[in-house]
Order: sequence, then C-alpha cells, then structure tokens
Amino acid sequence: NAGVTQTPKFQVLKTGQSMTLQCAQDMNHEYMSWYRQDPGMGLRLIHYSVGAGITDQGEVPNGYNVSRSTTEDFPLRLLSAAPSQTSVYFCASSLGQGFEKLFFGSGTQLSVL
Amino acid sequence: GNSVTQMEGPVTLSEEAFLTINCTYTATGYPSLFWYVQYPGEGLQLLLKATKADDKGSNKGFEATYRKETTSFHLEKGSVQVSDSAVYFCALSRNSGYALNFGKGTSLLVTP
Repeated sequence: NAGVTQTPKFQVLKTGQSMTLQCAQDMNHEYMSWYRQDPGMGLRLIHYSVGAGITDQGEVPNGYNVSRSTTEDFPLRLLSAAPSQTSVYFCASSLGQGFEKLFFGSGTQLSVL
Repeated sequence: GNSVTQMEGPVTLSEEAFLTINCTYTATGYPSLFWYVQYPGEGLQLLLKATKADDKGSNKGFEATYRKETTSFHLEKGSVQVSDSAVYFCALSRNSGYALNFGKGTSLLVTP
C-alpha cells in the first residue's frame, strides 16, 4: 500500500514556465487537497476536492489549477511559474469526504528562478 | 474566521525533559482540534485530536486537552526522546469548507 505518492520530489523552474505536480493515492479516499508550506507561514490550502469531478478553492488558489477526473489522481498545475511560488507542496487525502485525518505525501520542493 | 497561534520555536530540550508546546485558537462554533507532526523529510501525520471541550487526545505519550474556557490545546509529553525531534503543528477544523487551519509549526530538537 503506497499511500499518497507525489512526483517529482524536487523541481527547478524558470519564471513563466508551466508544470504539473502529480499526486496519486491508492486508498480510495474521496477527499484530496494541496497545501503549500513556507517558512514561518505554516501550511496554506491551495485547492481541494471532495470527489471525482468536484474541486474548490482554498485560501491561496491564484496561479494554480486543479482537476479531479479520477478518485486516485489530483494534479496541481502551475500555469506560469513565479518566484513567489517557490515552496514545498504537499498533497493530502482523507477517507470519505472527511478532512480531519489527513494522509500526506512526502512533498515536492519547487524553486522558481 | 478560525485561526491558530502556536508558540515560536525552535524548542531545544534534553532527553527525558518535560515538553509543553502552547497552542491557542480563535473560532466560532465548536471546531475540532488536532496536533500533526512532521518528521524530517516527510509529510505531516496526525498525532492526536479532540473533538469537543474537555476531551483529551493522546498518542505515543503525547497529550493535549481541549480547553474551551482558555481556548487552548497545549501539547505535552512527560519525557521526550531524541526520536521526538520534529516539527509540530496545531490545527483546527474550519467553519465551512473541507479543510483544516494550521498553525505555523513549532520545531522541537531533543538532544541526548
């Protein structure tokens, strides 16, 4: 049982480039979410999904897109990377539509130059 | 909206010392409260939770009591180990929307 798998683990982008951070879970969890972690800021929610075909914005959604075509996958797209998006990104999932016991991936460290 | 304030770190303790990490919250309604832990190089994992006033969450020797009168959820452990070195996050459930509000995290370093 792999849990929540994020790829890549590290990525360097140039300003203006686009990319997709991948997140997959094999626990049949309905709820999935993306957080970013910045020093001194804690974790901030970017987007979340309560099931396939349903997504909604968190507190810092600008510059990011998501989709949920399957229960297993929840990719995060950076449309035009900016240095302010340099951060560690975590994907998390939870059973049912509950969001309290979150299972986190190991993170993607992104640097935008 | 709901928010969480944690004590600033880093906290450095010797092995077997007593640990307290303070957490206070602001909320309307009756949120659930959580402590998550992040070990180096890993994602966060749930350590303990409490869902109503006066509930005590406990796990791996850690405890926290949901105090509505002081709006607090302080994390305690009687005797820390080197393996407890990690970043600890206090969190609460939101009024609406499916997400948690996290504090900024408190780094704990336990030395032999």
